[in-house]
Amino acid sequence: KAGVTQTPRYLIKTRGQQVTLSCSPISGHRSVSWYQQTPGQGLQFLFEYFSETQRNKGNFPGRFSGRQFSNSRSEMNVSTLELGDSALYLCASSFLTPSTDTQYFGPGTRLTVL
Amino acid sequence: GDSVTQMEGPVTLSEEAFLTINCTYTATGYPSLFWYVQYPGEGLQLLLKATKADDKGSNKGFEATYRKETTSFHLEKGSVQVSDSAVYFCALSDHSGNTPLVFGKGTRLSVIA
Repeated sequence: KAGVTQTPRYLIKTRGQQVTLSCSPISGHRSVSWYQQTPGQGLQFLFEYFSETQRNKGNFPGRFSGRQFSNSRSEMNVSTLELGDSALYLCASSFLTPSTDTQYFGPGTRLTVL
Repeated sequence: GDSVTQMEGPVTLSEEAFLTINCTYTATGYPSLFWYVQYPGEGLQLLLKATKADDKGSNKGFEATYRKETTSFHLEKGSVQVSDSAVYFCALSDHSGNTPLVFGKGTRLSVIA
């Protein structure tokens, strides 16, 4: 069974631009969560989607948004990029819910904002 | 709120040395506990987990025992290899609603030959 895939693996953007990251969960998994990983803050939860609905959201500004499609694939979008948005963005999928089912992570998208 | 505290790294060991990475947690109820590993340039991989007190999770020579009395889930390995060099994350899930995993800050392990 294929694992979680994320595209692209690397992105370089400039301040003020916007970016869209994509995540394809493991087949059959319906919950997709997004995390931001930085050296200073560690792993921080962004949001979680299930059946095309956002079920949970972390403490990030409204510039960070996401969505999920009917095939469970998910995208996250960051608008008006800031230097501090440079990070590794990780997507994780689980069968139904991250609180009871094991989460499986993708390789991440490394975003650099110049 | 829930939290996970890991020993700060980096930890540098010689090959075949014994490894311990400490992890303690704060949570209401009875969380599930996890260790994830992140190799250079990769995402997180589940290493092992335990879902109730006194459970021992094990994988690839790594072990961790869920100790409710000390709220701990320390990671151990009897003989580390160079290939174990990675960042290790302790995490918990409190089973309430759809809350995400709560992660520790991570501990970087370097094993030298």
